[in-house]
Amino acid sequence: GAGVSQSPSNKVTEKGKDVELRCDPISGHTALYWYRQSLGQGLEFLIYFQGNSAPDKSGLPSDRFSAERTGGSVSTLTIQRTQQEDSAVYLCASSSAGDTEAFFGQGTRLTVV
Amino acid sequence: SQQGEEDPQALSIQEGENATMNCSYKTSINNLQWYRQNSGRGLVHLILIRSNEREKHSGRLRVTLDTSKKSSSLLITASRAADTASYFCATVWNDYKLSFGAGTTVTVRA
Repeated sequence: GAGVSQSPSNKVTEKGKDVELRCDPISGHTALYWYRQSLGQGLEFLIYFQGNSAPDKSGLPSDRFSAERTGGSVSTLTIQRTQQEDSAVYLCASSSAGDTEAFFGQGTRLTVV
Repeated sequence: SQQGEEDPQALSIQEGENATMNCSYKTSINNLQWYRQNSGRGLVHLILIRSNEREKHSGRLRVTLDTSKKSSSLLITASRAADTASYFCATVWNDYKLSFGAGTTVTVRA
């Protein structure tokens, strides 16, 4: 596609439910990142993919968070048993290589009630 | 943490004035990038400066990099109301790790 696409744009979920956030990167981009941004804060790194593998998962805050990438393209971030502190904007970015400019999606605003 | 730290946290200027913000980081980098964010959603890439470069220009933007001081600055000249946004520096290290600072919120008054 023309840009990085994330879905849904907004998600309201009840505490304890699981959620899946989707990211469609720019076609041909091998590097993919997930970040979390709380209101008025900077971007917190979650995970990095190179192709389908995730050499760096160091930012995932707990074992409730997981992510996968299939076919070197679409990525899904899954949060199990959501908690209120998971409420944030989740941003996905892709780049042609790990050290070039990154293109961001518009993010998914997750609200856990 | 490798995250860059921006200074100041917030900046308010009159339209037509220049805006300068700074970024400091901690370890060796591949490159440093600046991004803009409007309305708390997607970030837009502004400029990338490599570790062997000292200065770079793009339109009304000027970026400097001092690797000996581990710092960078972003200058926006002749600011416009449309420049109102949050600006983030991001460092790339270990060839892929893109780490962001907390950002500078810039308000341009008409």
